[in-house]
Amino acid sequence: DAGVIQSPRHEVTEMGQEVTLRCKPISGHNSLFWYRQTMMRGLELLIYFNNNVPIDDSGMPEDRFSAKMPNASFSTLKIQPSEPRDSAVYFCASSHRQGAIGNQPQHFGDGTRLSIL
Amino acid sequence: AQSVAQPEDQVNVAEGNPLTVKCTYSVSGNPYLFWYVQYPNRGLQFLLKYITGDNLVKGSYGFEAEFNKSQTSFHLKKPSALVSDSALYFCAVGDKDTGRRALTFGSGTRLQVQP
Repeated sequence: DAGVIQSPRHEVTEMGQEVTLRCKPISGHNSLFWYRQTMMRGLELLIYFNNNVPIDDSGMPEDRFSAKMPNASFSTLKIQPSEPRDSAVYFCASSHRQGAIGNQPQHFGDGTRLSIL
Repeated sequence: AQSVAQPEDQVNVAEGNPLTVKCTYSVSGNPYLFWYVQYPNRGLQFLLKYITGDNLVKGSYGFEAEFNKSQTSFHLKKPSALVSDSALYFCAVGDKDTGRRALTFGSGTRLQVQP
């Protein structure tokens, strides 16, 4: 089992640039979650998908953030334009369908550490 | 609404001693409860879950947790701590009865096991 794969592992870019984070969920999982982790705010759910459809994006901080899931094996989280306060570790997680209602465990990738200068 | 509280930012314990990491929750219906562990520069790893049935749940690496409905708690325990258990621990709750809600995670508790 390959696990959830995120890329890049680290990203350093200047304020105003577009940032795209990528995630490949575990094969057969049909729920996908994007989280952000900071010291100040802890772990925050940004958005989650069931069967490639966004279900709840209420955690997306503002319109600069967007997420897509064009197929069952790929998702992106985009920030445009990026700001220094977006610096954080961004995690992708996947689970079986029932994960969306809290039944199944979520499997996390190792995250993308994003630094906006 | 659902929420989870981890009242201790850090727990210190000597190797070989029992450890407890506390978690209390609030849901409108019946809870699903989870514990995860995070090592430096890694994602969260699933340890154990309570869905239904026995109140004492056993999980990975010798950890267990006890569901207490009257106290709305789900404390994580281990009889004998190892230095390698030092990590960040997260409790999470989901609500069985509210349909399409994702898990809510606590703020995390850092466990430090001294040799």
